[in-house]
Amino acid sequence: GEDVEQSLFLSVREGDSSVINCTYTDSSSTYLYWYKQEPGAGLQLLTYIFSNMDMKQDQRLTVLLNKKDKHLSLRIADTQTGDSAIYFCAEDFTGGGNKLTFGTGTQLKVEL
Amino acid sequence: DGGITQSPKYLFRKEGQNVTLSCEQNLNHDAMYWYRQDPGQGLRLIYYSQIVNDFQKGDIAEGYSVSREKKESFPLTVTSAQKNPTAFYLCASSSKHPEAFFGQGTRLTVV
Repeated sequence: GEDVEQSLFLSVREGDSSVINCTYTDSSSTYLYWYKQEPGAGLQLLTYIFSNMDMKQDQRLTVLLNKKDKHLSLRIADTQTGDSAIYFCAEDFTGGGNKLTFGTGTQLKVEL
Repeated sequence: DGGITQSPKYLFRKEGQNVTLSCEQNLNHDAMYWYRQDPGQGLRLIYYSQIVNDFQKGDIAEGYSVSREKKESFPLTVTSAQKNPTAFYLCASSSKHPEAFFGQGTRLTVV
């Protein structure tokens, strides 16, 4: 079945770059997503990448996709304390944002 | 404002009781979803509905039931058959555009 894996924790200093990694098993996904969850809240879509792209940049966020290795990463430049949250990668198997499969989430802690 | 609303934010259930979690959206989205979140396990899909009056089981549907009588509403009932219901429940909706919008969640605790 589908499986999406992430490391559970990442700690960085304020101002440094953060790189959150994700691996997935299904090569038929159409879109891959990064969501952010702040404590006690729902998920907020940060960015997504179409499966035929290698890279997408959106302000401080850079998404890299290696389809051969089934590896997705999210780089946050100039990480701020407000970036502290849980980050989930997700992929869909039916196209159009339906029936997402989520990773376990990576807790990002930004230290001063 | 358009959005997706879950209520209540906190819910307490006695063992053996059924409880219903509400999810309403005014985004005119066809598809709606229920996820369960446990620490260190990410989100797991309980049920989803791609159109009114139709829904499908997700990965962990046992002990849960849903209905989709209106496009705007997708309530989730946690039945007494669910042996470990304490969790954070998230509702989401989506259209054809590749983005799912999430509610703020309901934290259910069995007392």
